[in-house]
Amino acid sequence: GAVVSQHPSWVICKSGTSVKIECRSLDFQATTMFWYRQFPKQSLMLMATSNEGSKATYEQGVEKDKFLINHASLTLSTLTVTSAHPEDSSFYICSASGRATRAETQYFGPGTRLLVL
Amino acid sequence: AQTVTQSQPEMSVQEAETVTLSCTYDTSENNYYLFWYKQPPSRQMILVIRQEAYKQQNATENRFSVNFQKAAKSFSLKISDSQLGDTAMYFCAFMTTGANNLFFGTGTRLTVIP
Repeated sequence: GAVVSQHPSWVICKSGTSVKIECRSLDFQATTMFWYRQFPKQSLMLMATSNEGSKATYEQGVEKDKFLINHASLTLSTLTVTSAHPEDSSFYICSASGRATRAETQYFGPGTRLLVL
Repeated sequence: AQTVTQSQPEMSVQEAETVTLSCTYDTSENNYYLFWYKQPPSRQMILVIRQEAYKQQNATENRFSVNFQKAAKSFSLKISDSQLGDTAMYFCAFMTTGANNLFFGTGTRLTVIP
């Protein structure tokens, strides 16, 4: 139980385009979803927290207009990287917590590798 | 602010041996959770073990156990009978009770040597 999926697993795009990453909780209702960014050989950096039906809360230094987060249902959250640039290239990971799981425990998706050319 | 420190960037262990990964944290909170997550080469983050701060008993999950020392703010992970599949990055993480945010350490890269 408590499986989280992400799609796509990797994406290559041209500079200036927008990229959407989906995060789904497959077997539980995720009242809260989280988006992280991980640079090579580094730890996870929390970007934002989203509660279903509410606006996301962004961490300091994360541009909310660049990283659009939508959590429209209890099983789906999306992260859109708008007007992507090479410095946005990274590994993006989502996690979820919620009903029928231990609320304090986050379950992670497999990650999405983004490369902006 | 909460901080999590993992002082061992890299460790190695012989297959079937035991290894302990260290983690210390700093908080003024009294109620919180501690976690160890594993990130293998696939980069999928996998929950290894969790500990509630109010519980004195150390958590165990099969070959994985923790040594939780609340007064010392220490939360080490012991892996017994190490297996090749244990090769991964291990992250220690902290969460205040009632909050959502997970604070991660910088990770320890563990290599199990056959």
